Amino acid sequence: NAGVTQTPKFQVLKTGQSMTLQCAQDMNHEYMSWYRQDPGMGLRLIHYSVGAGITDQGEVPNGYNVSRSTTEDFPLRLLSAAPSQTSVYFCASSPLFLATNTGELFFGEGSRLTVL
Amino acid sequence: AQTVTQSQPEMSVQEAETVTLSCTYDTSESDYYLFWYKQPPSRQMILVIRQEAYKQQNATENRFSVNFQKAAKSFSLKISDSQLGDAAMYFCAYRSRELNRDDKIIFGKGTRLHILP
Repeated sequence: NAGVTQTPKFQVLKTGQSMTLQCAQDMNHEYMSWYRQDPGMGLRLIHYSVGAGITDQGEVPNGYNVSRSTTEDFPLRLLSAAPSQTSVYFCASSPLFLATNTGELFFGEGSRLTVL
Repeated sequence: AQTVTQSQPEMSVQEAETVTLSCTYDTSESDYYLFWYKQPPSRQMILVIRQEAYKQQNATENRFSVNFQKAAKSFSLKISDSQLGDAAMYFCAYRSRELNRDDKIIFGKGTRLHILP
């Protein structure tokens, strides 16, 4: 019962460094997404994907890249980290709304990123 | 674009009492889901309750129930017999069920609920 797995759970970076947050799900969900959570701001959508080879921007995409080469994986890349990207990041997945499903998102445990 | 507004950043309730968390949303769509998620200190996001917009009956899950007012675009969460374990951040969320729409699930900013012993 792995569900949605995010790695790493904690990371400290220096300004300008690059890194990739990994996200994998074993539920065969077509839909995957990345959110960031900041105090007083709720969860804001960064990028999402409705299937392998398809990605789209959310509310706050600047500074982040994604790709979706397989159904299972949806990595989030920070090419040049900035202190403004200090946040908690959540990956979430679900079946597509067109399918018979409940519409809910299944979340990973989150990754806390600090950029110094 | 759809928006979700939670106007109460923090609330407190006495243990065993009832509390209502407010959520309003803005959409031009007629078919959608609404959710309440709970985030305890462990940071894990947990689905509390779900409502389909086409269903007039308000959803209920044990001590949790919603008051869904579609015309007013209001979706409040009522927690009865509050327990210490209910202390958490609560997020309201919107998801379209309409075809050919951008599938962006939108969250409110959250309400932090404190339970007073």
